[in-house]
Amino acid sequence: GIQVEQSPPDLILQEGANSTLRCNFSDSVNNLQWFHQNPWGQLINLFYIPSGTKQNGRLSATTVATERYSLLYISSSQTTDSGVYFCAGGSTLGRLYFGRGTQLTVWP
Amino acid sequence: DTGVSQNPRHKITKRGQNVTFRCDPISEHNRLYWYRQTLGQGPEFLTYFQNEAQLEKSRLLSDRFSAERPKGSFSTLEIQRTEQGDSAMYLCASSPKVRVGSEQYFGPGTRLTVT
Repeated sequence: GIQVEQSPPDLILQEGANSTLRCNFSDSVNNLQWFHQNPWGQLINLFYIPSGTKQNGRLSATTVATERYSLLYISSSQTTDSGVYFCAGGSTLGRLYFGRGTQLTVWP
Repeated sequence: DTGVSQNPRHKITKRGQNVTFRCDPISEHNRLYWYRQTLGQGPEFLTYFQNEAQLEKSRLLSDRFSAERPKGSFSTLEIQRTEQGDSAMYLCASSPKVRVGSEQYFGPGTRLTVT
């Protein structure tokens, strides 16, 4: 299967700081998503981004498919951004392969 | 448009008992996926349906696990003779069928505790 490596595993920030989360894939993927997992365990869709760049408010993501990596940028972080961020990739048909996540803690 | 729903949200059972979880996908999504997540890990794929056909199963899905989607709408995941190692969050996702790629949307999960 596809190996997904996320970095850093843990990130602690002061409110207002910017951050970059990275996701590397061992093989090409056609389907790439970023998620935020809330404290109750629900995965919230942030971006569907198999290639290119997208922005949604303070969050943006870039995927360089030819080099098999994706980046998630969080600007002006807020305490509500805290939680675990996952990236996942896979084929167009089926399963997603997930990384182990980045635990983000934002302090006021 | 309602999201993916899962029931129950929590289940505590004794080792050796059977449990069944239900997933209702987003309406008109013909693809449905089951994943399992243990503490500190990312979700791991279990199985995948397109309509009522089960197209892929992970090696994680032992003989004690069975999943069905009889009418191509909701799905059930049954675990027989539960073991403590089955304690996990069970997540369901659905996606529409599109030609190139499809975004998966996840339900709130069922948290299983086996005592």
